[in-house]
Amino acid sequence: SQQGEEDPQALSIQEGENATMNCSYKTSINNLQWYRQNSGRGLVHLILIRSNEREKHSGRLRVTLDTSKKSSSLLITASRAADTASYFCAPVTGGGNKLTFGTGTQLKVEL
Amino acid sequence: DGGITQSPKYLFRKEGQNVTLSCEQNLNHDAMYWYRQDPGQGLRLIYYSQIVNDFQKGDIAEGYSVSREKKESFPLTVTSAQKNPTAFYLCASSIQAVSYEQYFGPGTRLTVT
Repeated sequence: SQQGEEDPQALSIQEGENATMNCSYKTSINNLQWYRQNSGRGLVHLILIRSNEREKHSGRLRVTLDTSKKSSSLLITASRAADTASYFCAPVTGGGNKLTFGTGTQLKVEL
Repeated sequence: DGGITQSPKYLFRKEGQNVTLSCEQNLNHDAMYWYRQDPGQGLRLIYYSQIVNDFQKGDIAEGYSVSREKKESFPLTVTSAQKNPTAFYLCASSIQAVSYEQYFGPGTRLTVT
């Protein structure tokens, strides 16, 4: 397994704005997963994007994957205060049987 | 009501005592995991189990022990050998170990004084 590196470390925006966070990784992947963690809670799986996919949507979330640059981005459109959380990416190598998490991006959405 | 449960939510122990954290799932998942999270940090893998009666060490297994006698249960024991046991502990499960999304429990916050 390998660890993804999220960027920026922290992001503060106003409600209604879009939030973009990025993830970089080092070696070829089978898929890449994004998770959200509200303060003091467990992680919640958001999206899994496979290596042969370039873009995936889920509600207000849009994830892109550029395997040539070994990077992924998570876009949250029309953010809400309830989106305030830490967001983690987890790149999964082929046959990988465990996830490795970075330190995440802390998103704060202000009213 | 399906999902993963962890108990207790908060746990306080004296230094030198072993303590066991509970993790139960009714999702019929084969794989289960234990992570540790320190303030402002990501998650670090302690142990994982791909199937009943089998488990492997993660990145920080020293001072911890697990068992997997039943598919639904994966308890974690924090032993007195663990030098810095105070942390937030998260249990997770997935359909199978390979490449699948993981479902997390609500966590147990352990404080050792």
